[in-house]
Amino acid sequence: NAGVTQTPKFRILKIGQSMTLQCAQDMNHNYMYWYRQDPGMGLKLIYYSVGAGITDKGEVPNGYNVSRSTTEDFPLRLELAAPSQTSVYFCASGVGNQPQHFGDGTRLSIL
Amino acid sequence: RKEVEQDPGPFNVPEGATVAFNCTYSNSASQSFFWYRQDCRKEPKLLMSVYSSGNEDGRFTAQLNRASQYISLLIRDSKLSDSATYLCATGGGNKLTFGTGTQLKVEL
Repeated sequence: NAGVTQTPKFRILKIGQSMTLQCAQDMNHNYMYWYRQDPGMGLKLIYYSVGAGITDKGEVPNGYNVSRSTTEDFPLRLELAAPSQTSVYFCASGVGNQPQHFGDGTRLSIL
Repeated sequence: RKEVEQDPGPFNVPEGATVAFNCTYSNSASQSFFWYRQDCRKEPKLLMSVYSSGNEDGRFTAQLNRASQYISLLIRDSKLSDSATYLCATGGGNKLTFGTGTQLKVEL
């Protein structure tokens, strides 16, 4: 029972590079979310999706893109990495008003 | 005013103590309420949901006060292993809004 799986767990990027953070869930949840958490700070919502083919911006979407072609997968794309995007990224999934379940995070450093 | 506010702490308490945290929220339309636990550099994990009538899970008691728009978490008989950051979350519909967390340190 994997729950929410994120890959990679760690990554170092150079400024200007691009990458995709992968997120997959096997709980058949309609809702999926991407958060970032900076050291000592709270979770900030980047993007979310209420179902396949539907995505919407969260609080801090600039510099990121998402897609949701299947119920299971919700990748997050960084096109031109900037130092300000150094953070821990969490993917989560849920159903309606039920609690969200989190993956164990991707730690991203941009140098 | 932030949508969800928590005292960041840290709360330093001796083992065996009772400690309580509050979390205030500004959206009166919020329908769901949760407490999460987050260990250092780990993902948030659901501790408990918060129901209108209050609810208990072992040493943990959660309460909701809609009139004053806050939720609370009470931890009895604190253990060293309770040391963590506790996040509250409120929401309705598609999204949850998380507080920045309250840090708890339980000491010998």
